[in-house]
Amino acid sequence: NAGVTQTPKFQVLKTGQSMTLQCAQDMNHNSMYWYRQDPGMGLRLIYYSASEGTTDKGEVPNGYNVSRLNKREFSLRLESAAPSQTSVYFCASNLRTGEDQPQHFGDGTRLSIL
Amino acid sequence: DQQVKQNSPSLSVQEGRISILNCDYTNSMFDYFLWYKKYPAEGPTFLISISSIKDKNEDGRFTVFLNKSAKHLSLHIVPSQPGDSAVYFCAASPAYALNFGKGTSLLVTP
Repeated sequence: NAGVTQTPKFQVLKTGQSMTLQCAQDMNHNSMYWYRQDPGMGLRLIYYSASEGTTDKGEVPNGYNVSRLNKREFSLRLESAAPSQTSVYFCASNLRTGEDQPQHFGDGTRLSIL
Repeated sequence: DQQVKQNSPSLSVQEGRISILNCDYTNSMFDYFLWYKKYPAEGPTFLISISSIKDKNEDGRFTVFLNKSAKHLSLHIVPSQPGDSAVYFCAASPAYALNFGKGTSLLVTP
């Protein structure tokens, strides 16, 4: 019962380093999402992929890139990490984009940038 | 600009009593609302949802009420159990993107 799997669970980077956060789902979902959660805040959408081969910006896309590698995998890349990107990153998926399709979340990647 | 607001950061309730978590929204285009529950070091877990064409949806101990005129929804948990202690997020959906509130931390005491 893996659901949505995120790797790594924790990471510490130095300012300017690059990194890719990995996400994979085994529920045969079409749509996948990346969110960030800052202390005392709700989750904010970074990017999403409505279906394999498509990606779109969310609310806070600056400083990030994404790749929908295949139907199962959706990665988030920080090209030049900044302290403001210290956050907990959540990947989510659902059968399709739409109001009646609750998103299923992974357990998050806790990222600290020094 | 926060479009989904949960104005109570925390709530403490005795086991067996009712827990009421509140949520307000500002965007009248929102037409689907969800509640997620989150334990520490885990991702949010979907709990219950409601469409704007309804004013109530019930699932076991959990009931969500929607008052569109007031742009307000609430989650009722009856009876509350210690395992319900978690952070509860209200979210609103205009289509693909979920707009989350900041969450309310619920503590159910024995």
